[in-house]
Amino acid sequence: EDQVTQSPEALRLQEGESSSLNCSYTVSGLRGLFWYRQDPGKGPEFLFTLYSAGEEKEKERLKATLTKKESFLHITAPKPEDSATYLCAVQEPGYALNFGKGTSLLVTP
Amino acid sequence: ETGVTQTPRHLVMGMTNKKSLKCEQHLGHNAMYWYKQSAKKPLELMFVYSLEERVENNSVPSRFSPECPNSSHLFLHLHTLQPEDSALYLCASSQAPLAGGNNEQFFGPGTRLTVL
Repeated sequence: EDQVTQSPEALRLQEGESSSLNCSYTVSGLRGLFWYRQDPGKGPEFLFTLYSAGEEKEKERLKATLTKKESFLHITAPKPEDSATYLCAVQEPGYALNFGKGTSLLVTP
Repeated sequence: ETGVTQTPRHLVMGMTNKKSLKCEQHLGHNAMYWYKQSAKKPLELMFVYSLEERVENNSVPSRFSPECPNSSHLFLHLHTLQPEDSALYLCASSQAPLAGGNNEQFFGPGTRLTVL
């Protein structure tokens, strides 16, 4: 069975302190790896889709990268409004997305 | 309305009640999903409807009953729930990932369900 593991479980950063979140996966034949942001009490908000090793995508202070075994979500100079839980998911054959447990990010002023 | 909407946003029910959750998508998608999100656990896929036909049912107890009358609407009918069913229930939609295509799913805000 495909597995998705996210680390760290929680991360606290000072405003402006760059860092990376990790998503490692085991899957036979990657069809897509997705990053979502989830604020407390809300549904996940789609951020990125990555399809093949070496691919990178950027959105404001976020940059997602993909290798054959893991994906990183790099956060450059974060702001307090970047505080949220970031979810990684791998597309399985069929309709299912296999989600990790998420990384809870807190950015303090 | 835009995106995926869900009603109600909060629901408190007793174990003997019957209630329904509603989801509507305004994205022109043809696949819809119900997920359960509990604390400290990954999202759990419950049901998938594609082109209004149920295509996945992940061993969900029969006290949860989905209904998809058309490609824009999805319901989850609840009856005789247990306290452990308390969770955030999320609806999502996507273009059906036919022929190996991607499955970018877009989520609604969720219904926070508490079973007493």
